[in-house]
Amino acid sequence: DIQMTQSPSSLSASVGDRVTITCRASQSISNYLNWYQQEPGKAPNLLIYAASSLQSGVPSRFSGSGSGTDFTLTISSLQPEDFATYFCQQSDSTPYTFGQGTKLEIK
Amino acid sequence: EVQLVESGGDLVKPGGSLRLSCAASGFTFRNAWMTWVRQAPGKGLEWVGRIKSETDGGTTDYAAPVKGRFTISRDDSKNTLFLQMNGLKTDDTAVYYCTTDTNLPGYYYYYMDVWGKGTTVTVSS
Repeated sequence: DIQMTQSPSSLSASVGDRVTITCRASQSISNYLNWYQQEPGKAPNLLIYAASSLQSGVPSRFSGSGSGTDFTLTISSLQPEDFATYFCQQSDSTPYTFGQGTKLEIK
Repeated sequence: EVQLVESGGDLVKPGGSLRLSCAASGFTFRNAWMTWVRQAPGKGLEWVGRIKSETDGGTTDYAAPVKGRFTISRDDSKNTLFLQMNGLKTDDTAVYYCTTDTNLPGYYYYYMDVWGKGTTVTVSS
């Protein structure tokens, strides 16, 4: 199985900050990488697919990059509603696997 | 409106069985690949398994921890996805989400773009 490792596991930041979350795959997955946001008590929400494509309706302050084994999710200017947990997920092969999550907290 | 609504979650004893349902609306269910994802309390997301559309073979894939115990099926006439869970263990305690496994047309990219709100399964004696 492909292992996905996110860093950091948690992050404190302020409104307006630029934030970057990293996801590393245990083997090359080309750009078969998706990012999700999950607010407490809610279902995950797709932000980015195919490593860098913004899902419809997602604000443009979210962006994704990378290919192969190393990927990043960037939020250009944090808004209050962005404080949540973020997960990466590989769709290169089943079993699909997720990163352990990055909890973004208000500083 | 595109919607997925899970049901069937309950408290069950170890070794017991449970069947979850997921009612779909607002999209052409028979063409959709569907996935179950679970989340144990305070933990991350875990892919449980997937079923392809009947036109793509209707085949299933499962994660190792549930293979041989869980079965995913679908009733396209009722726009409903199922997860039959047998031999339940305490480690199966989680919120279970049903999601679409959508393919970007013309490409191999797959992503889970529609999620239900989840149903809670608790396995405890």
